[in-house]
Amino acid sequence: ETGVTQSPTHLIKTRGQQVTLRCSSQSGHNTVSWYQQALGQGPQFIFQYYREEENGRGNFPPRFSGLQFPNYSSELNVNALELDDSALYLCASSTAGWFSYNEQFFGPGTRLTVL
Amino acid sequence: DAKTTQPPSMDCAEGRAANLPCNHSTISGNEYVYWYRQIHSQGPQYIIHGLKNNETNEMASLIITEDRKSSTLILPHATLRDTAVYYCIVKAQGGSEKLVFGKGTKLTVNP
Repeated sequence: ETGVTQSPTHLIKTRGQQVTLRCSSQSGHNTVSWYQQALGQGPQFIFQYYREEENGRGNFPPRFSGLQFPNYSSELNVNALELDDSALYLCASSTAGWFSYNEQFFGPGTRLTVL
Repeated sequence: DAKTTQPPSMDCAEGRAANLPCNHSTISGNEYVYWYRQIHSQGPQYIIHGLKNNETNEMASLIITEDRKSSTLILPHATLRDTAVYYCIVKAQGGSEKLVFGKGTKLTVNP
C-alpha cells in the first residue's frame, strides 16, 4: 500500500505568479483534502474533493482552486500569489462514507515561499 | 475555530509515560475525539480516536472522561522520536469530515 505523495517538495514564487501543487492519494482512497499550514500554526482546511467534485470549502478566496482526477490524484492551484500564501501545503487522502472508519492520511507537504 | 483547548507545551523524560490533556467541553453527542501528531517538517499522522470508551492501540491510549468534556492521550513509554506537536480534534466520524486543528501541544521528550 503506497502512501500519500506530494510534489514538489519546495517551491519559490514571486508575488502575482500562479502555482500548481500536486498530490497522489493513497491507494483505494476516493477523497482528498487540502490544508494550508502557516509557520507556528495548525493546518487550516482549504477544500475537499470527492469523486472529482468539490465537497466542502474553508475560508479561502476563489483564487485557491483544485482538481481531482479519475485516478484520485489531485492538484491545488493558487492564482495571483500573495506574500501571506507562503506556507506548508498539505494534502490528505481518505475514504468517504457514513460508515467509513478510514481516517485522513497526510502527505509530507509542499513548502511554498512567495517573495 | 478549534473546539479544543490544549497546553502549548509539555516535557517528558525518555522512557516515562507522557500524558497529554485536552479539554473539549462543547463536544456534541456524535463527535469523536481524535489525536494526530506532527513531527517537525512532516505531515500530521493519525494516532487514535474514541467516542466515550477508553481506547488503546500500538501507539497510544486514549482516556475520555465520563462526561466527555476532556480526554488524555497517553504515550506509555515516550522515546525521543515522540517529540512532536500533538493535536486533539473533535469531529464526526468518517473520512469526509474536515479536521479543525488548533495550535496543539508541543511535546519534547528529553534524554
